[in-house]
Amino acid sequence: QSDLTQPASVSGSPGQSITISCTGTSSDIGSYNRVSWYQQHPGKAPKLIIHDVSSRPSGVSNRFSGSKSGNTASLTISGLQAEDEAAYYCSSYRSYSTVVFGGGTKLTVL
Amino acid sequence: QVQLQESGPGQVKSSETLSLTCAVSGQSISSDNHWGWIRQPPGKGLEWIGSFYPGVNTNYNPSLKSRITMSIDTSNNQFSLKLTSVTAADTAIYYCARDNNRAASDIWGQGTMVTVSS
Repeated sequence: QSDLTQPASVSGSPGQSITISCTGTSSDIGSYNRVSWYQQHPGKAPKLIIHDVSSRPSGVSNRFSGSKSGNTASLTISGLQAEDEAAYYCSSYRSYSTVVFGGGTKLTVL
Repeated sequence: QVQLQESGPGQVKSSETLSLTCAVSGQSISSDNHWGWIRQPPGKGLEWIGSFYPGVNTNYNPSLKSRITMSIDTSNNQFSLKLTSVTAADTAIYYCARDNNRAASDIWGQGTMVTVSS
């Protein structure tokens, strides 16, 4: 069981938008704006796509956006493309200088 | 650009110690960033192992803390992970990564698979 809760899977058609939720507690997401999202294609290392709740690293498409409300963070992918099919993981800073991850969400582009 | 490369034995016997090294190129590990380790059991999710800021602090996953040691070798610009008393549950891909100092790993190594055998 992971520290942060994500849906196991989501799906969408090309061009649509999808949102992946990530629920934590008041010890992590609820208290800190250090939420990150990673994209992982099969056999590859994860890639940082969102940090600090909603900031995108240089080179990441603006189709990826992040937000937070209370103990829940969200990743939205707009204009779905076939290449977006991957696993997505959230993470958060937690009290006492640790980091916790969600269990991951597999995105299927129909 | 900054690159990280893990190295170590692909197989470790149960109850022994797993030792991995992460060689960093393109940036001195002595400055500016936290560095750390993350692992992923086959077919499963990511687990944060720990991270450090050279000369300042080291933080470990509480569930692994009693078995972990992280160290730094500035002369070779690399850092290492030791995990003692391994079991099958420690079988995973081990990644080293640079942390952007805001609990986000912005650069990752390619990962190295470690299998714990009996």
